[in-house]
Amino acid sequence: EDQVTQSPEALRLQEGESSSLNCSYTVSGLRGLFWYRQDPGKGPEFLFTLYSAGEEKEKERLKATLTKKESFLHITAPKPEDSATYLCAVQAYSGTYKYIFGTGTRLKVLA
Amino acid sequence: NAGVTQTPKFQVLKTGQSMTLQCAQDMNHEYMSWYRQDPGMGLRLIHYSVGAGITDQGEVPNGYNVSRSTTEDFPLRLLSAAPSQTSVYFCASSYAEGNTEAFFGQGTRLTVV
Repeated sequence: EDQVTQSPEALRLQEGESSSLNCSYTVSGLRGLFWYRQDPGKGPEFLFTLYSAGEEKEKERLKATLTKKESFLHITAPKPEDSATYLCAVQAYSGTYKYIFGTGTRLKVLA
Repeated sequence: NAGVTQTPKFQVLKTGQSMTLQCAQDMNHEYMSWYRQDPGMGLRLIHYSVGAGITDQGEVPNGYNVSRSTTEDFPLRLLSAAPSQTSVYFCASSYAEGNTEAFFGQGTRLTVV
């Protein structure tokens, strides 16, 4: 069964304390892995797409990496404005496209 | 630069009532979709459309109807609201069905009492 699991469910960091969020997946016909950021009361906002193992992408304090079984979102020296829920989604194809979302990691960065 | 616009933002319905959630995008995207987001669960696909006049069911379609008469609009209709449909609903659009990121609306928080 296609599945996306994110860990931890929630994470509290001090400002400047680097950490990583994990997204593990089991899916047939992977076409891409997506990271989104979701602020309270808002819709998800696109961050990154990764297509193949070994690929890395960076944006400000965020860096996403991909292996054959999981993806990591590394947050370097976070700031309070990085507080949000980070969603991972896998897109698979087996005749039709399927988008499978994880339940997210709620990140709180304390000043 | 509006992107994806959803209305209303909040709605309370009584069991058995019907309503339509509106979704419009101004990016000329072919692919549009509706998701529901419930606590402890990932976003789940309700219905999607790959272009005007073409719609299909997602993972959780029961109790919902959609139509796509124009590229811009993709309304979601609740036929007879049930408490199990209490959720936050998101409309999304993307350039194509595969390999492209989705742009989400702000969401509609629906409560069915």
